[in-house]
Amino acid sequence: EIVLTQSPGTLSLSPGERATLSCRASQSISSSYLAWYQQKPGQAPTLLIYGASSRATGVPDRFSGGGSGTDFTLTISRLEPEDFAVYYCQQYRSSSYTFGQGTKLEIK
Amino acid sequence: ELQLVESGGGSVQPGVGSLRLSCVASGFPFSTYSMNWVRLAPGKGLEWISYIGGSGRTIYYADSVKGRFTISRDNAKSSLYLDINSPRVEDTAVYYCARDLWIRRDGGSYYWSGMDVWGQGTTVTVSS
Repeated sequence: EIVLTQSPGTLSLSPGERATLSCRASQSISSSYLAWYQQKPGQAPTLLIYGASSRATGVPDRFSGGGSGTDFTLTISRLEPEDFAVYYCQQYRSSSYTFGQGTKLEIK
Repeated sequence: ELQLVESGGGSVQPGVGSLRLSCVASGFPFSTYSMNWVRLAPGKGLEWISYIGGSGRTIYYADSVKGRFTISRDNAKSSLYLDINSPRVEDTAVYYCARDLWIRRDGGSYYWSGMDVWGQGTTVTVSS
């Protein structure tokens, strides 16, 4: 099973700042099968990024994804108040999906 | 409007009885999409637990639920199900159904592109 490790566990930033979230896989994965989600309290997750770097429909361009192999990143270029939430990476491979444990992005 | 609506959550005692979760889809051709169940336990992160292909013939489970949970679908009713048997305290969670998105990329092949439609969740509590 592929394990995804996200860091940091919590990120404290202010609106307007840049956020960089990391997702590291226990073995190399295809970037085609790496996705990022945002989840706010009491709400379902929403898809932000697929294929490591493609934005889902309706996602603002301040969100961007990158990386390959075992190291992937989600960057939010300029934080808006509504961006403070928990973010998860997810991979799909060989009849199994796994999520990272999440990064909580909180207001400083 | 694309929509998934879950139901069937509730309280159950550990090791006793069972629960059936349901997820009704609308706004898209249900039978052409693979579907998943994902859960969020209190204080924990998201956990994928089961997948079913569009026809219902291909099924996968996470090791944590294999042998206890059963996923199924009724395409005529645009419905997805999850049967929870031999419940454990650690099965306490909000359960979401989610649609797989497959997009044609790179000139022709379809690639998994995340889970793009989610239900609002239904809560399962396993406690004595």
